[in-house]
Amino acid sequence: AQTVTQSQPEMSVQEAETVTLSCTYDTSENNYYLFWYKQPPSRQMILVIRQEAYKQQNATENRFSVNFQKAAKSFSLKISDSQLGDTAMYFCAFIGFGSNYKLTFGKGTLLTVNP
Amino acid sequence: DAGVTQSPTHLIKTRGQHVTLRCSPISGHKSVSWYQQVLGQGPQFIFQYYEKEERGRGNFPDRFSARQFPNYSSELNVNALLLGDSALYLCASSLRTGSYEQYFGPGTRLTVT
Repeated sequence: AQTVTQSQPEMSVQEAETVTLSCTYDTSENNYYLFWYKQPPSRQMILVIRQEAYKQQNATENRFSVNFQKAAKSFSLKISDSQLGDTAMYFCAFIGFGSNYKLTFGKGTLLTVNP
Repeated sequence: DAGVTQSPTHLIKTRGQHVTLRCSPISGHKSVSWYQQVLGQGPQFIFQYYEKEERGRGNFPDRFSARQFPNYSSELNVNALLLGDSALYLCASSLRTGSYEQYFGPGTRLTVT
């Protein structure tokens, strides 16, 4: 069974600064995808970024980038130039090619961006 | 284009009752998944449907059931409600089974009293 661990229940950052959210996972599968989802207080879950395990290059989407370390089973999210609108719960999620199409989520990290 | 829609937004039920939640996927998406998100936790997978067939099931009791219609919309049914069923129920759609990007609706907040 897959597990996803987010060890930081809460974090805060000043506007315009950079913050890194941590995620580790455990799986016996070799082919899988990893995602970061954002859930603002309005609760709509939004896909932020994804990483295919077979790709060595780290994914980047504008101010969001990941540090994917496959051997260490680590998948951190870096948010640069933090904005007030980045305040949200952030969930790390895993889906394996043989995992019956289900996303496995971590417990989330509540990020607060302070003005 | 409209995103994933869910109805109702909020719902209050009494223990032992039955509830039906509805989801319409993004136009062109043929796969729908259901997740339960208890307060303070990440979503837990309940079901996935593709082309009206169940393709995946999470660790939930038989009180939970679902179906998908020819227009790819879906219903989640929960019988004999328990207090522990109180949660946000999320629906997600994807283009096809095996498509790993899932797009979520706003959810239905179910409160069981």
